[in-house]
Amino acid sequence: DSGVTQTPKHLITATGQRVTLRCSPRSGDLSVYWYQQSLDQGLQFLIQYYNGEERAKGNILERFSAQQFPDLHSELNLSSLELGDSALYFCASSVDAAFYNEQFFGPGTRLTVL
Amino acid sequence: SQQGEEDPQALSIQEGENATMNCSYKTSINNLQWYRQNSGRGLVHLILIRSNEREKHSGRLRVTLDTSKKSSSLLITASRAADTASYFCATDEGNNDMRFGAGTRLTVKP
Repeated sequence: DSGVTQTPKHLITATGQRVTLRCSPRSGDLSVYWYQQSLDQGLQFLIQYYNGEERAKGNILERFSAQQFPDLHSELNLSSLELGDSALYFCASSVDAAFYNEQFFGPGTRLTVL
Repeated sequence: SQQGEEDPQALSIQEGENATMNCSYKTSINNLQWYRQNSGRGLVHLILIRSNEREKHSGRLRVTLDTSKKSSSLLITASRAADTASYFCATDEGNNDMRFGAGTRLTVKP
């Protein structure tokens, strides 16, 4: 158990819809990272928040957005969903902002878009 | 997009044998990390090697880095059935992005 929690575990929705994925980092960790893992794209870094502020951006689509709240939990919002957005979405946390720190991954949310 | 390419894509060995996985990348990096992923679960950090290091050990794991060839290898010695998982390399180019390879699927038969 990494100490990172993600909800929900599974999400099934239709194209065009909007969903919110939630992540609670390990106690004491200030950084949260979001990743997408799909069969065709592999593992991709989406975005990082550090202590409430956006820190780094990867391959995140404009239809996706994230935020980190004062209690340090984070939400990833996916809108205008397409079939290709079906994937496992992981969040990870680390103690500070540097990418070279060990990241602790949550169990993931499996999103299925029908 | 992916930066690292793991080789082989899949590897099947017997318990007790050593497993070697390779990762090649394209641009200069600050460091390279190896992660393990059990089927459908989150990644687990294994080891980080910095660009000025050539070799690192952690238990049964040995990682090498050759920046001139832009490649790294992960060696798991005396493998166990519990080592069955996918292994990914991830590179930090220092531009606030982390790139993962496609992974090597390791199967260790008891």
